[in-house]
Amino acid sequence: DIQMTQSPSSLSASVGDRVTITCRASQGIRNDLGWYQQKPGKAPKRLIYAGSSLQSGVPSRFSGSGSGTEFTLTISSLQPEDFGTYYCLQHNSYPLTFGGGTKVEIK
Amino acid sequence: EVQLLESGGGLVQPGGSLRLSCVASGFTFRTYAMSWVRRAPGKGLEWVSTISGTTYYADSVQGRFTISRDNSKNTLYLQMDSLRADDTAVYYCSPRYDNNWFEYWGQGTLVIVSS
Repeated sequence: DIQMTQSPSSLSASVGDRVTITCRASQGIRNDLGWYQQKPGKAPKRLIYAGSSLQSGVPSRFSGSGSGTEFTLTISSLQPEDFGTYYCLQHNSYPLTFGGGTKVEIK
Repeated sequence: EVQLLESGGGLVQPGGSLRLSCVASGFTFRTYAMSWVRRAPGKGLEWVSTISGTTYYADSVQGRFTISRDNSKNTLYLQMDSLRADDTAVYYCSPRYDNNWFEYWGQGTLVIVSS
């Protein structure tokens, strides 16, 4: 099984800060990775697909990079509405696996 | 517009059974693989199962859960047997087309396993 190690598990940042979240895959997954945001009581929302493609309708302050085993989600300028928990997901092979999540809080 | 409506959740005793449904609209259901994902309270997202031409399961539910579909009704199912407390979660369904995973989600249905 492919393990997805996500870091940090939580962070607190101010509006306007640059935020970076990382996922490491235990083996190469090409670019078969997505990033998701989930807010309390809501369904997850896809932000990035294929490692670095921005989902339609998602603000351009979100970006993804990486391929193989190292992936990064960057929020270039954190906004108040960006609170929530962020997850990476690998869909290269079964079982599909999510990272452990990063809880983002606004200072 | 893609719409996914999960139902069938509720309170069930340990060892009991429950069947979840997901009614889909806005896309050609029969041509899409379909998946279930869950989130337990205080925990992260967990992939549960996918049905394409084959079925796939997480180790945690293998042998207890069965995914199926009725293309004539545009409906996905998850039969959950031998339920345990750690199956307590909100369950979501989501379609996949080609390599496009989890773009769309339902609102979820809550399953509580407790005596």
